[in-house]
Amino acid sequence: KQEVTQIPAALSVPEGENLVLNCSFTDSAIYNLQWFRQDPGKGLTSLLLIQSSQREQTSGRLNASLDKSSGRSTLYIAASQPGDSATYLCAVRAGGTSYGKLTFGQGTILTVHP
Amino acid sequence: GAGVSQTPSNKVTEKGKYVELRCDPISGHTALYWYRQSLGQGPEFLIYFQGTGAADDSGLPNDRFFAVRPEGSVSTLKIQRTERGDSAVYLCASSPGGAGDRNEQFFGPGTRLTVL
Repeated sequence: KQEVTQIPAALSVPEGENLVLNCSFTDSAIYNLQWFRQDPGKGLTSLLLIQSSQREQTSGRLNASLDKSSGRSTLYIAASQPGDSATYLCAVRAGGTSYGKLTFGQGTILTVHP
Repeated sequence: GAGVSQTPSNKVTEKGKYVELRCDPISGHTALYWYRQSLGQGPEFLIYFQGTGAADDSGLPNDRFFAVRPEGSVSTLKIQRTERGDSAVYLCASSPGGAGDRNEQFFGPGTRLTVL
């Protein structure tokens, strides 16, 4: 059974800092990995999608890397802003017969203070 | 175009009642997913449709939960004899779909279900 773990559970940083969020998964047989942002009381916004054959994806100040063999992904946020405050979730898409489902971590709660 | 929409946004019901939650996917998306998110947790998979058929319903917790997608577009999640433990946010997502679909999933705002 796939398990996804996110570290740290919570992170508080001053504005302007660069930061790294970590995600690990137990089964390396994945199709892709997706990073999401969730604001309080809201749905999920997709940030980045990395296919299993890729090593990283970039979007603006965000960079996500994937090391499938070691079961790890990191989300790097450059020059953090108060508007980045949210919960960040990573999710892996399974291979095999369950290739539709995403398995999520519990999330990292990020607070960026001015 | 419009994103995934879900109705109602909030639903309060009494224990033992029947509820229906609706999801409208992004137009043209053939794959549709339901997830459930409890407070402080990541979403948990419930069921995945490819077109009209349920390709994977392994996440449905028991036979009180049922979902349909009769025309391959709108989906309804149905919960019978609701229990307090069913209280959660129910999220719907869609993706373009197709065999071996590896595309990203786009989520709706969710329906917050509270069972009293």
